[in-house]
Amino acid sequence: EAQVTQNPRYLITVTGKKLTVTCSQNMNHEYMSWYRQDPGLGLRQIYYSMNVEVTDKGDVPEGYKVSRKEKRNFPLILESPSPNQTSLYFCASRVAGSNTGELFFGEGSRLTVL
Amino acid sequence: GDSVTQMEGPVTLSEEAFLTINCTYTATGYPSLFWYVQYPGEGLQLLLKATKADDKGSNKGFEATYRKETTSFHLEKGSVQVSDSAVYFCALSDRYTGNQFYFGTGTSLTVIP
Repeated sequence: EAQVTQNPRYLITVTGKKLTVTCSQNMNHEYMSWYRQDPGLGLRQIYYSMNVEVTDKGDVPEGYKVSRKEKRNFPLILESPSPNQTSLYFCASRVAGSNTGELFFGEGSRLTVL
Repeated sequence: GDSVTQMEGPVTLSEEAFLTINCTYTATGYPSLFWYVQYPGEGLQLLLKATKADDKGSNKGFEATYRKETTSFHLEKGSVQVSDSAVYFCALSDRYTGNQFYFGTGTSLTVIP
């Protein structure tokens, strides 16, 4: 089954404690991206990756890091989380090189930073 | 820059009512346009799309037409069901590479029996 898998689905942490949200896709997609969803703001892009070792900032990259060492994985790293990073996070993937293809989303990771 | 403006919600309708959710966009050139749906506790999934002007996307009774002259992509359904209750997002993909998606704020729809 084609899917994007995120872990953990739910996480409560404290300010400053580094955490990583993993994302893996089994569709051999070149393009992967991370979004955060906040009430009244919709989805905002954090980072995206066109392929292995190629990443770029989206609209709200501050406080986040990513890496793309393998095609299937695209982890999101919060080096020193703060309460304003409390949000619902989605990973997504698609075929690269065209603006007509759909994004495939994971089920989301709800993060609370105390 | 590119952006999507979507009708504010929440929207509450009775079963079998007609649905319209307005969406307008700002973009350079000719983006691809999408409607995504998010059911409670789930990720977003594609509902329909249109990739060029005057294209009509359709799926599960929902339709939307890519109107370049009005920069709009309104979502419609003639007769909603309780199972259509969800949050709907309008989105665009930039013209050249599709590297960036821009989403509207989402419209929550509740259909009551």
